[in-house]
Amino acid sequence: EAGVTQSPTHLIKTRGQQATLRCSPISGHTSVYWYQQALGLGLQFLLWYDEGEERNRGNFPPRFSGRQFPNYSSELNVNALELEDSALYLCASSLLWDRGVPEQFFGPGTRLTVL
Amino acid sequence: ELKVEQNPLFLSMQEGKNYTIYCNYSTTSDRLYWYRQDPGKSLESLFVLLSNGAVKQEGRLMASLDTKARLSTLHITAAVHDLSATYFCAVAQQGGSEKLVFGKGTKLTVNP
Repeated sequence: EAGVTQSPTHLIKTRGQQATLRCSPISGHTSVYWYQQALGLGLQFLLWYDEGEERNRGNFPPRFSGRQFPNYSSELNVNALELEDSALYLCASSLLWDRGVPEQFFGPGTRLTVL
Repeated sequence: ELKVEQNPLFLSMQEGKNYTIYCNYSTTSDRLYWYRQDPGKSLESLFVLLSNGAVKQEGRLMASLDTKARLSTLHITAAVHDLSATYFCAVAQQGGSEKLVFGKGTKLTVNP
């Protein structure tokens, strides 16, 4: 069974640009989560999507946004990039309680570097 | 607000020794997870603990959960070099939000 996939693996942008990160969940999983792992800040929850809807959002500014498509894949967009947005962005997918144990499985991540 | 604290943050062990990593959390939760991360890699799921008194074991790692004390432990038995990695605990906010709050991680180095 294929795991969570993310693209691109690495992304280099300059300040003020926009970045788009993509995630495909494990087949059958309807929930997708985004986390940011920045140096010194640990893993922080960004967004949760389920069935195409945004269900929860972490303490990040509105320039972090995303969406989930009908096939349950997801996109994370970061507008007006700042240097401190440089981080590893991890996507995870899971089932929900009514469909099984809600264990989050993580993808390999996209390393975003903002110059 | 749910807060998760892990200790120690850094752990250097000799092969063959035993040690325990602790994970404390501040509010009631119905789920706790342990993950492993190798340098430059993603998170690998180790254990899911769903109820008070839950104990799970895989190889040299054993995890337990005490929901009354809001404490989970990850016990390492007879450490080997391959266990060198960063270990995170993560707690789900109760109420079905599915948001995981992570500890800062414990960087484990096992020396020969």
